[in-house]
Parts: sequence; structure tokens; C-alpha cells
Amino acid sequence: DQQVKQNSPSLSVQEGRISILNCDYTNSMFDYFLWYKKYPAEGPTFLISISSIKDKNEDGRFTVFLNKSAKHLSLHIVPSQPGDSAVYFCAAIGGSQGNLIFGKGTKLSVKP
Amino acid sequence: DTAVSQTPKYLVTQMGNDKSIKCEQNLGHDTMYWYKQDSKKFLKIMFSYNNKELIINETVPNRFSPKSPDKAHLNLHINSLELGDSAVYFCASSPSGYGYTFGSGTRLTVV
Repeated sequence: DQQVKQNSPSLSVQEGRISILNCDYTNSMFDYFLWYKKYPAEGPTFLISISSIKDKNEDGRFTVFLNKSAKHLSLHIVPSQPGDSAVYFCAAIGGSQGNLIFGKGTKLSVKP
Repeated sequence: DTAVSQTPKYLVTQMGNDKSIKCEQNLGHDTMYWYKQDSKKFLKIMFSYNNKELIINETVPNRFSPKSPDKAHLNLHINSLELGDSAVYFCASSPSGYGYTFGSGTRLTVV
């Protein structure tokens, strides 16, 4: 039972353009959402988060949007850089889920 | 100075063996976790542990046992290793449940 879903396993974007990574969730009790970035042979590192009381959070080139009615969030990276190439995990927490629940990840490739 | 460190980084072992993976955090966090990333790339919680409570994911076989000698350490011991245990295991810690910091992972290969 996947409570957090990332339906796109991979995404390829040209340098300088916008990258949009999507995430859907099923548990309406989730109240906090996070994006993690992972390079090969390294652990996931925290990127940006959003509380369920907000619909947008911005940090530099990274913006996360939350649509609670659709149970959907997205991560926008603009402009995309080759160093952004990594696997991005969406994660959620809240309700009876005392631990972070992760999606399957989306591999982003930013081409020069 | 690594915040969450786990050793070894790679572990190759035969079926039936018993092995341990060590994890240490120097962040002063109260809660530590073990996650498993299998071939399907899902990061799944195995255990969470703080000074008061061990929470075990019900899907984890009892061959897996976390051991915490102190607040800064949460080791993972695995008995009678099986081929299906091959995966990358990540240790993490958090102060309150939201701000997880992950280790770099241990790639376990059972042959």
C-alpha cells in the first residue's frame, strides 16, 4: 500500500529550464511533507519541506507546492543545473505515521 | 565531522551468516531509525528507537534486531541472512520526528 507515490521514475531536463517533480499521497492525516535529494552511494539529504497549513514554500531555486484537496505536491527547480542531477524522494509524516514515509523516487537528469 | 555515520559501507556475506551494521550520530538527536531500500528503490522504515520506545515495522522479520547501547548508537543485527536481505540499509536520526539526517548507507549483498 503506497501512501506516497512518485509516478515518474525519471525526468530529463535541459540546463536552465524548469524541473517539476510530482508526488501524490493517499493519507489525509499527513501534515508535513519533505523532499530529499540523493546522490549515488550517499544517503538522502534534506532539501525542502512544507507544512500542511501552507500551499507554497520557497528556498532559492527550489519551491514546493502543496495542493491538499488533490493530495498532490510538486517540487520546482528553476533554473535547473547539472549538479541537480540526482534522485529526488518525496516523503510525508503525520497522523498515525510516526515515521517518514517515502515515495519511490524520481531520477532527475539535467543535461548541459 | 560526519553527523550520522554507519559502518561498513559495503558488506558481502554468505547465506546463513549473522552480521551487524553499526550506526552512530553526533547530533544529539533523541530518535534513531533504520530504513531499508530494496531493489524496487522504496525506502521503508524498519525500526525507530528513542530512549523510551522501540517501534518495529510489522513486516520486518524477527531475524532483524536493533541494539542501542546508548542514545548516540543504534546498531542493526541480522541473524541467518537470506538472499532477500540484500539491499541498502540507511540509518537516520531526528530531534523531533521531522528533521531526519541520514547516513550514507550500507550495501548488503548476501550470496
